Amino acid sequence: GEDVEQSLFLSVREGDSSVINCTYTDSSSTYLYWYKQEPGAGLQLLTYIFSNMDMKQDQRLTVLLNKKDKHLSLRIADTQTGDSAIYFCAELDSSASKIIFGSGTRLSIRP
Amino acid sequence: SQTIHQWPATLVQPVGSPLSLECTVEGTSNPNLYWYRQAAGRGLQLLFYSVGIGQISSEVPQNLSASRPQDRQFILSSKKLLLSDSGFYLCAWSGTNYGYTFGSGTRLTVV
Repeated sequence: GEDVEQSLFLSVREGDSSVINCTYTDSSSTYLYWYKQEPGAGLQLLTYIFSNMDMKQDQRLTVLLNKKDKHLSLRIADTQTGDSAIYFCAELDSSASKIIFGSGTRLSIRP
Repeated sequence: SQTIHQWPATLVQPVGSPLSLECTVEGTSNPNLYWYRQAAGRGLQLLFYSVGIGQISSEVPQNLSASRPQDRQFILSSKKLLLSDSGFYLCAWSGTNYGYTFGSGTRLTVV
């Protein structure tokens, strides 16, 4: 079945770039997503990328997709304290009926 | 614009008691609806999803059930709660493949 994996923790210095990595198993996924969850809140869609794209940029966010390796990454430039959150990688499953989420990466920012 | 409402925000229930969590969506029709659970320090587990009134797909067999009595209403229930049912429950809806929109979540503590 489909599976999405990502590391559990990442710590970066304020002002540096954060790179959160994710691998997925379903090569037929058409959409891949990054969600952000702040403490005690629901999930907020940050960005998504269609499978025929290699890169998508939106202000401080850059998403890179390597379909051959089934690897997705999220880069946050100039990381700020407000970026502290859990970031979930997700893929639309092959039946296109549901989204499969990774376990989330907790990003912490140090001064 | 579309909005999703989920309540209550927090709930403390004794073991063996019943449960009813409600989720409603406004501003759209015939949405796909989803219930996820997030256990402490863990990722999102899809519990149920629905593509229409009365249509429920169960992803994980357990003592929870879901119902969709109206087009934009999704209810998560249990007849007898277990300690292991504690967690953060999230409702979501989607109308396209461009990701889900999540509610603000219900934190359930079973004591």
